[in-house]
Amino acid sequence: GAGVSQSPSNKVTEKGKDVELRCDPISGHTALYWYRQRLGQGLEFLIYFQGNSAPDKSGLPSDRFSAERTGESVSTLTIQRTQQEDSAVYLCASQAGVPGEQFFGPGTRLTVL
Amino acid sequence: ILNVEQSPQSLHVQEGDSTNFTCSFPSSNFYALHWYRWETAKSPEALFVMTLNGDEKKKGRISATLNTKEGYSYLYIKGSQPEDSATYLCAFLNQAGTALIFGKGTTLSVSS
Repeated sequence: GAGVSQSPSNKVTEKGKDVELRCDPISGHTALYWYRQRLGQGLEFLIYFQGNSAPDKSGLPSDRFSAERTGESVSTLTIQRTQQEDSAVYLCASQAGVPGEQFFGPGTRLTVL
Repeated sequence: ILNVEQSPQSLHVQEGDSTNFTCSFPSSNFYALHWYRWETAKSPEALFVMTLNGDEKKKGRISATLNTKEGYSYLYIKGSQPEDSATYLCAFLNQAGTALIFGKGTTLSVSS
């Protein structure tokens, strides 16, 4: 497709369950970012992938969060043993090169009950 | 700690009014400053990527200026329209960093 896609668009889960969020970046974009926005907060950086380099995981809030990227394509963000404070909109963005603009997906709204 | 501040937090104007908001960021090790527009139920969309001190960029009725020495950028909207209603985010990248640091945004509401 022409843009960044994310799935699912909405996810409701129970506390303690694991969830997996998916991002399909724009083809050819070497950089991929995950962000989240919790209610009333700004966009919070989570993790960054650039080509085959080791990812920058400095924004991951706890070891319950992990992400993988297959080459320069799909990425999945996994949250284990979800907590209510994980409820947020999770956004993925891809970028052709730094410092160019980032292209955002529509986000996944995660609600942890 | 890198801090990006935006003001005001929210703003309400009438159709036809011109308006501006501010983004302040650390002035050391500057690399780039991004502006995004985030409309409700949509994805953030890039407006400008600015890298040079004194840079001015324009897209239709929206323009932005950049002062890297003092660490601020202004976004201007001329003749606001209801479709300009959105949250405007700025984001800073320093030379050592890999990730954009976003401000909390300015939410603009334009009444007709």
